[in-house]
Amino acid sequence: NAGVTQTPKFQVLKTGQSMTLQCAQDMNHEYMSWYRQDPGMGLRLIHYSVGAGITDQGEVPNGYNVSRSTTEDFPLRLLSAAPSQTSVYFCASSYTIAGLTYNEQFFGPGTRLTVL
Amino acid sequence: AQRVTQPEKLLSVFKGAPVELKCNYSYSGSPELFWYVQYSRQRLQLLLRHISRESIKGFTADLNKGETSFHLKKPFAQEEDSAMYYCALKRWDTDKLIFGTGTRLQVFP
Repeated sequence: NAGVTQTPKFQVLKTGQSMTLQCAQDMNHEYMSWYRQDPGMGLRLIHYSVGAGITDQGEVPNGYNVSRSTTEDFPLRLLSAAPSQTSVYFCASSYTIAGLTYNEQFFGPGTRLTVL
Repeated sequence: AQRVTQPEKLLSVFKGAPVELKCNYSYSGSPELFWYVQYSRQRLQLLLRHISRESIKGFTADLNKGETSFHLKKPFAQEEDSAMYYCALKRWDTDKLIFGTGTRLQVFP
């Protein structure tokens, strides 16, 4: 199993450009989420999904969109990139038991995004 | 709202010294608490969870509901323990994980 994969590893954008960060998992996990990691701020939840067709907002959703058309994929879209979105982005997944997410989340390797 | 506080950004110790990484939380219900670790150039990974009451790599953490704390402890630090450590909280009725700001542990030889 590849686990959780993310592409690209690095990306540089200009202000106003759009792009999609890809996330995929091959563990048949129902729960997937996106975090951003910033110095001194820890990891903050952007969006999450409890299954295909279901998404919800986290702590810092503004400027980001998500969709979940399959169990495997959970892309994160930046509609109009801003310098404040410069960060490291992590995707994570977890399986559920009786409708609730199991304790352990499995993380991808991260995408380092710079917005100029 | 739920909150996780890790008061130390950086903790530096010498090899063999005891280590305690502090974590305090605010949540009125029954939380699930975790410690995640990120070694250099590696993915964030689960270190331990409070419900398992286990010791991983010599680390232990006890949930103290009275003090709303979940401090991570190790009696004798090793150089390979150097990493970023995050405390995280999950409510019983939601899937979301709330992370603290993290503590970087440096263990010197």
